[in-house]
Amino acid sequence: GAGVSQSPSNKVTEKGKDVELRCDPISGHTALYWYRQSLGQGLEFLIYFQGNSAPDKSGLPSDRFSAERTGGSVSTLTIQRTQQEDSAVYLCASSLGEKLFFGSGTQLSVL
Amino acid sequence: DQQVKQNSPSLSVQEGRISILNCDYTNSMFDYFLWYKKYPAEGPTFLISISSIKDKNEDGRFTVFLNKSAKHLSLHIVPSQPGDSAVYFCAATPRWGSQGNLIFGKGTKLSVKP
Repeated sequence: GAGVSQSPSNKVTEKGKDVELRCDPISGHTALYWYRQSLGQGLEFLIYFQGNSAPDKSGLPSDRFSAERTGGSVSTLTIQRTQQEDSAVYLCASSLGEKLFFGSGTQLSVL
Repeated sequence: DQQVKQNSPSLSVQEGRISILNCDYTNSMFDYFLWYKKYPAEGPTFLISISSIKDKNEDGRFTVFLNKSAKHLSLHIVPSQPGDSAVYFCAATPRWGSQGNLIFGKGTKLSVKP
């Protein structure tokens, strides 16, 4: 596709449920990032994949969060046992170099 | 502790005038800085960047100034247009390519009045 695609665009879930967020990066981009933006906050780094290297997971807030990138392309961010503080916009980005290209995000609401 | 700070959550400017958005950082290891622009319900888009070897970078109506000694950068938009109304994020990173994650500020919401 022409840009970074994220699905779903909106997700409402109940506290305690697991959710999976999907990201399709721009074809050929070797780097993929997950960020989240909570209400009134800046973009918070979560995890970074670069090629076949081990991902940088230093931003994941707890062990309930995990992400994988299959075949160097599509990535899935999984949040287990969701909590209300997980409510945020989850943004995926990909890049070849200095510029990140962001998707439109997934608005996650945990009730 | 915030490493990248945008102390003004909002800014209102008249069309045609200059908009100045400010950003301060605390980590002296940062040497590459970027500005991103975000419209509602869209992802941020790259606007302009500057490396620490420069003190100014210009692209059309947008100019970024870097003062390393003060750990301060600013984005100037002149002349401002209503379509510039958006949230602007400052971001920083040390040695791009060796560390992937950008550190973002909380953003400044710019409103340009016609």
